[in-house]
Amino acid sequence: QSVLTQPPSASGTPGQTVTISCSGSNSNIGSNPINWYQQLPGAAPKLLFYTNTQRLSGVPDRISASKSGTSASLAIGGLHSEDEGDYYCAAWDDSLNAVIFGGGTKLTVL
Amino acid sequence: QLQLQESGPGLVTPSETLSLTCTVSGGSISSTSHYWGWIRQPPGKGLEWIGNIYYSGSPYYNPSLKGRGTMSVDTSRNQFSLRLTSVTAADTAVYYCVRLRGVPAADLWGQGKLVTVSS
Repeated sequence: QSVLTQPPSASGTPGQTVTISCSGSNSNIGSNPINWYQQLPGAAPKLLFYTNTQRLSGVPDRISASKSGTSASLAIGGLHSEDEGDYYCAAWDDSLNAVIFGGGTKLTVL
Repeated sequence: QLQLQESGPGLVTPSETLSLTCTVSGGSISSTSHYWGWIRQPPGKGLEWIGNIYYSGSPYYNPSLKGRGTMSVDTSRNQFSLRLTSVTAADTAVYYCVRLRGVPAADLWGQGKLVTVSS
């Protein structure tokens, strides 16, 4: 069980907005920046956002990230079939002295 | 553009040592703006941070490795390496080498190397 909690799955139809949550604690999200990764089927993960809300070059602005307290969210608007894949949050944990990942959320476009 | 490529054995015997090398091409490993690291993913499972290192040293290892990991950098070859001792089946995973714009922001990934631990 991951220290950062993500829903195992999420789904939406093309054009919809889907939000993926990442819940942590004061020792990780509450006191350190969070990063978001996308892993498309059969591919290596790709960094989408770093330092909470900083978008990597090339990431469309229909995808956004936010953080509040000990939780963070990734919102994917105008859902495309190409968005199908796994999404992971990651942060440093002060108590564990380790980088931790969420368990991942599998996004399905119906 | 900068690319990363993992290399090493795809099959390791239990209790032996896993050794992987990442070759950096299209840029210098001696960048003062980046760290270098390793992340792994067991088949069908999530991501696990192994560790990271600066071009001049100062490695960090995930405590979950319990002292089994060693990373090094060879600036003359533009490579960095991972050694993981006393491997078990639980170490079977796709191993990715990554460039870090900060910890834990891995902004560039290799294609990944599947390493299976089996006799």
